[in-house]
Amino acid sequence: SQTIHQWPATLVQPVGSPLSLECTVEGTSNPNLYWYRQAAGRGLQLLFYSVGIGQISSEVPQNLSASRPQDRQFILSSKKLLLSDSGFYLCACSGGTQPQHFGDGTRLSIL
Amino acid sequence: DQQVKQNSPSLSVQEGRISILNCDYTNSMFDYFLWYKKYPAEGPTFLISISSIKDKNEDGRFTVFLNKSAKHLSLHIVPSQPGDSAVYFCAATGSQGNLIFGKGTKLSVKP
Repeated sequence: SQTIHQWPATLVQPVGSPLSLECTVEGTSNPNLYWYRQAAGRGLQLLFYSVGIGQISSEVPQNLSASRPQDRQFILSSKKLLLSDSGFYLCACSGGTQPQHFGDGTRLSIL
Repeated sequence: DQQVKQNSPSLSVQEGRISILNCDYTNSMFDYFLWYKKYPAEGPTFLISISSIKDKNEDGRFTVFLNKSAKHLSLHIVPSQPGDSAVYFCAATGSQGNLIFGKGTKLSVKP
């Protein structure tokens, strides 16, 4: 079965600092990978998705970026964090007919 | 504009009774719907799904009903248990395989 590892679980960063969140997937090959964000009081918003290595599609223009250097690795980055980047970041994967499976998320607080 | 709407942010139910969570959508092209359950500080976990060719899908205590003409689906939990207390997200599958989520409904099941 698919397992998604996300780290760190919580992160506190100052405004203007860089960000790197990593997600790795086990138990599947060539998955579709997704980054979602849940801001306070809001639903889950799709940020990026990837159908293969080096292939990234952005849903929402912002100061975040994503990269997929390996088949089962998905990275969310920022060069300069804003206060509005605070939220709960979730990595998800899907493959074949399986429903999307989520990691346990990273709680990001910007000070 | 929200394509998937969960108009009740919260629901409180007595243990043993039925919980009914509702979801409306606007895009008639959506053809696959899912319910996810989320505990605090964890990623969503898949609960149950339904294809648009069906109007009902049942899995144990959980049943999802789909009314395509009304663009409405609902999740029934019978009997409700305290362990069911969580946030429930309704989602529809987008054109890229991504999930379009509602804002969630927080279910509290009182002993």
